[in-house]
Amino acid sequence: DGGITQSPKYLFRKEGQNVTLSCEQNLNHDAMYWYRQDPGQGLRLIYYSQIVNDFQKGDIAEGYSVSREKKESFPLTVTSAQKNPTAFYLCASTPGGMGQIDGGYTFGSGTRLTVV
Amino acid sequence: LAKTTQPISMDSYEGQEVNITCSHNNIATNDYITWYQQFPSQGPRFIIQGYKTKVTNEVASLFIPADRKSSTLSLPRVSLSDTAVYYCLVYNQGGKLIFGQGTELSVKP
Repeated sequence: DGGITQSPKYLFRKEGQNVTLSCEQNLNHDAMYWYRQDPGQGLRLIYYSQIVNDFQKGDIAEGYSVSREKKESFPLTVTSAQKNPTAFYLCASTPGGMGQIDGGYTFGSGTRLTVV
Repeated sequence: LAKTTQPISMDSYEGQEVNITCSHNNIATNDYITWYQQFPSQGPRFIIQGYKTKVTNEVASLFIPADRKSSTLSLPRVSLSDTAVYYCLVYNQGGKLIFGQGTELSVKP
C-alpha cells in the first residue's frame, strides 16, 4: 500500500545535538510538508517542498533545516538552534502543490521528539 | 486567510449522531471547507471536503449553508473508535492549511 513512512517513531535528543527525522513517501506525490504539533495545539508548518531540489520556509522554520534531493524523501533536521524542540513532528504530502483540493493531504504517523 | 472557530470539546454516546459546527465568517469565494480527524499520536486523516450545499461519503456528511459562513460535520451513529480530534480547515488551491485547536470528541459507552 502507498503511504508515508516516518522514522523513528520516538526520538530522544540531548541538548546541543542535531537530529534528523526521516520522511519517505511512495505515493509519487510532488509536494511534501513538515508540521510540528505541541500538546493540545493544532499543526504548524515548518517547511514545505513543491518540487525536487526546492523548498520554502513555513511559519516556524527557525532552528530547522530540510533537503529534497529525491521526490520520495524529505528529511527534517532539528538543529541545536531550535530552543524548544520537544514536540510531535508530522510529515505530509499532496499530489500537486500546496492547498491540494482533491483528495486532501496524506500524513505520516509522526515522530515524537523529546529533549533529555 | 479565513479563520475558523469550532468548539473545543464535545461529548457523545455510542450510537448517537454527532454534529460539529465550524464558523468561518471570512471565507473567500475560492475557498473549500475540509475536515480532518486525528487520533492520539497519529497524523490527521482526511474525512470530507465540500464547497457548498451537502456532501456525503461513507464516513460523514458535510452541510454548508448558502452563505458558506459556517459548516457542520455530521457523524452518524458514532462508536468508541470515533473518539478523536476533528479539525475544520478552510483553504483554496495553492493556499496554506491552518490547523486550529480542533474539536476533541469523546464518545462514551
